[in-house]
Amino acid sequence: QKEVEQNSGPLSVPEGAIASLNCTYSDRVSQSFFWYRQYSGKSPELIMSIYSNGDKEDGRFTAQLNKASQYVSLLIRDSQPSDSATYLCAVPGAAGNKLTFGGGTRVLVKP
Amino acid sequence: GAVVSQHPSRVICKSGTSVKIECRSLDFQATTMFWYRQFPKQSLMLMATSNEGSKATYEQGVEKDKFLINHASLTLSTLTVTSAHPEDSSFYICSALSGVANYGYTFGSGTRLTVV
Repeated sequence: QKEVEQNSGPLSVPEGAIASLNCTYSDRVSQSFFWYRQYSGKSPELIMSIYSNGDKEDGRFTAQLNKASQYVSLLIRDSQPSDSATYLCAVPGAAGNKLTFGGGTRVLVKP
Repeated sequence: GAVVSQHPSRVICKSGTSVKIECRSLDFQATTMFWYRQFPKQSLMLMATSNEGSKATYEQGVEKDKFLINHASLTLSTLTVTSAHPEDSSFYICSALSGVANYGYTFGSGTRLTVV
């Protein structure tokens, strides 16, 4: 089992709709979780970080964390064509704080 | 916010030569820098973790003699790809823990290495 798993996509959503991305992780002791957006040929940029169970909202983005189920998700409301990118879920390991990335979910927002 | 400056952004080199990539933390001290490699349509793979003033810790399968990492100061870490081969062509990205709440890990802009 991979440490951090995501559906590779592509996830195709119409403009204005909600994009829902999922991520599962294997390390039960993980305490912090990050969602990054990566455009083709660019480095990742942080969208959201979440540390506590429940929802965290920032603009059109909502992260949801369920530590019991080892599950973290990202919702993108009112999706725009500029949201078309690969979204990476990342979880720090127990030792050394090194981030482990999921394989990424490619999102395609169609006008 | 926390910024990590990485350069060069693109480099083309001949097989057998060495290439150095630099990452600087501009407004914070990066005690730990991470180096990643990303092949097309794949996710980021951690190559090594470097701590200021000590030897880097390499991930399994990464040749430490080929990928030399130096982290001599709290604001500068370098990755040198020695005796580069075409299969080393990739996107190399550094990342640092910013130490600033909610900033998490700050990434450099990446270096596209092409070995011909």
